[in-house]
Amino acid sequence: DAGVTQSPTHLIKTRGQQVTLRCSPKSGHDTVSWYQQALGQGPQFIFQYYEEEERQRGNFPDRFSGHQFPNYSSELNVNALLLGDSALYLCASSGLAGDNQETQYFGPGTRLLVL
Amino acid sequence: GDSVTQMEGPVTLSEEAFLTINCTYTATGYPSLFWYVQYPGEGLQLLLKATKADDKGSNKGFEATYRKETTSFHLEKGSVQVSDSAVYFCALRRNAGNMLTFGGGTRLMVKP
Repeated sequence: DAGVTQSPTHLIKTRGQQVTLRCSPKSGHDTVSWYQQALGQGPQFIFQYYEEEERQRGNFPDRFSGHQFPNYSSELNVNALLLGDSALYLCASSGLAGDNQETQYFGPGTRLLVL
Repeated sequence: GDSVTQMEGPVTLSEEAFLTINCTYTATGYPSLFWYVQYPGEGLQLLLKATKADDKGSNKGFEATYRKETTSFHLEKGSVQVSDSAVYFCALRRNAGNMLTFGGGTRLMVKP
């Protein structure tokens, strides 16, 4: 049973560029959440997708956008990159019922460096 | 808003020592509480959880009890190993939503 997978593992971009990160949820999960983890800090919630729609959003600017596909996989897009966007981006998946609803399972993350 | 406060690290212990990492929270309602662990270069792994007051979560020798009266969820282990060296995150999830609110993390270093 594959867990949450993310791609790419590492990425280097320059200021002003755009980036797309990808996530496949754990089998049986239909909800995907994205978090940003700056170096030495705890993860911060960006947004959550369910049924291909953004269900909840944290305190992030509109430069951060996302998408969920019919197979439940998801993308995170960041436009007009800033140096401060350098971080580990974590994807987490969860499901509808029982323990699947309660617990979020995290992928290994994509480390983004903006120069 | 919701918040989680953890003791600052790093916490440095010798192997077989007793571990306590403090965690307190602020939230409306009755949140679920979690401990996640992050090993170097990896994502977060769920360590244990508790969903209501007085519940005790436990896993791999770690345990934490949901104390509503003190709004705390302290992580404990009776005898740490070098392999427990990692960063530990306390988190909450309000029942009304599914987003996790994390503390800042506590780095644990266990020396042989």
